[in-house]
Amino acid sequence: DAGVIQSPRHEVTEMGQEVTLRCKPISGHDYLFWYRQTMMRGLELLIYFNNNVPIDDSGMPEDRFSAKMPNASFSTLKIQPSEPRDSAVYFCASRRRNEAFFGQGTRLTVV
Amino acid sequence: GENVEQHPSTLSVQEGDSAVIKCTYSDSASNYFPWYKQELGKRPQLIIDIRSNVGEKKDQRIAVTLNKTAKHFSLHITETQPEDSAVYFCAASRGWRGTDKLIFGTGTRLQVFP
Repeated sequence: DAGVIQSPRHEVTEMGQEVTLRCKPISGHDYLFWYRQTMMRGLELLIYFNNNVPIDDSGMPEDRFSAKMPNASFSTLKIQPSEPRDSAVYFCASRRRNEAFFGQGTRLTVV
Repeated sequence: GENVEQHPSTLSVQEGDSAVIKCTYSDSASNYFPWYKQELGKRPQLIIDIRSNVGEKKDQRIAVTLNKTAKHFSLHITETQPEDSAVYFCAASRGWRGTDKLIFGTGTRLQVFP
């Protein structure tokens, strides 16, 4: 198994533009998490899904953020419009039972 | 809401010394406590975990202890080596069968000097 796959690895965009981050979880994992990592706040949970259904999105900072999981092998995190304070590393992780496996992350820079 | 506090935020030790990182959690229903290590520019990876039905677990040079009454747990690294240098995150979850979210602490940057 290739592990959790995220794309793109790096994204630089201008303020106001739409950004879409993508994630392919490990096959057979029924939980998927989106985290945001910054120096100040560490790993913040944004939203998580169980069997493709959003369970808790209380960590999504604003209405500008949205996430979908149309099937068991794909999820997206969208920011529209993006702002400089959204700059961070965004991780997707999938889990079945105990261990959560993280993707390589997407480093987002909004200028 | 659920919260996990982690201390210290940075820790510097000499090679061969021990390092201890401490976490406290707020949700008394938490029963699964993993520790992740993140090397520079890489993804967090699980290094050890503990469930609420045990008080201590060891794996070679690392050990975790859990005090459910006080709602705190700790990571102990003995005989530290330069390759232990990384950011360490603790986390807490209600579902040790993978049935709930993982809430992370803010991380501890460990530096081991040769």
